Amino acid sequence: GAGVSQSPSNKVTEKGKDVELRCDPISGHTALYWYRQSLGQGLEFLIYFQGNSAPDKSGLPSDRFSAERTGGSVSTLTIQRTQQEDSAVYLCASRWSHEQYFGPGTRLTVT
Amino acid sequence: LAKTTQPISMDSYEGQEVNITCSHNNIATNDYITWYQQFPSQGPRFIIQGYKTKVTNEVASLFIPADRKSSTLSLPRVSLSDTAVYYCLVGDNYSGGYQKVTFGTGTKLQVIP
Repeated sequence: GAGVSQSPSNKVTEKGKDVELRCDPISGHTALYWYRQSLGQGLEFLIYFQGNSAPDKSGLPSDRFSAERTGGSVSTLTIQRTQQEDSAVYLCASRWSHEQYFGPGTRLTVT
Repeated sequence: LAKTTQPISMDSYEGQEVNITCSHNNIATNDYITWYQQFPSQGPRFIIQGYKTKVTNEVASLFIPADRKSSTLSLPRVSLSDTAVYYCLVGDNYSGGYQKVTFGTGTKLQVIP
């Protein structure tokens, strides 16, 4: 079946612009995570959605970052007024039982 | 959240068995231990998960001692295609509530011809 998809695969933006990153989880998966991975680094947790519960936003690095999940399915991560340090790969994962299924990621480059 | 510690990198020759150990001293009673594999430019991929003792699947084995303060991922007869970063993850127990997880920095395994 279809896995987790993310779009765009690559995004180049100018410093100060806003960007939106999209994640389509596997159908039926109620849990969804966003992570950030800088070059050569591990995964940094950003935000977690579980069903209709309030999301855990404790990993968001600043108030420029926000995310929403509409209808318990598609999720959008928004970064306002992008900075060069926001350059990274943004990974989305949906979870079934104990296993997370990751998308291919969006590579964000802020120039 | 249980903090995990694992070696930053390891080298191994093709055909050898590789064991990667992860320490997680403050693991909680309900926590599971999960290992993921990540190739360059890809998202992590689930390898194996366990709670205690030994778990084996078609690609790896996971050994967990009785105190569960550590775990060892065992990859039999590695090949060049096993070159990747391996992450140990503790927590992620499905109890119906939210589950924040921390991946850590991982172990970079380099398989040498």
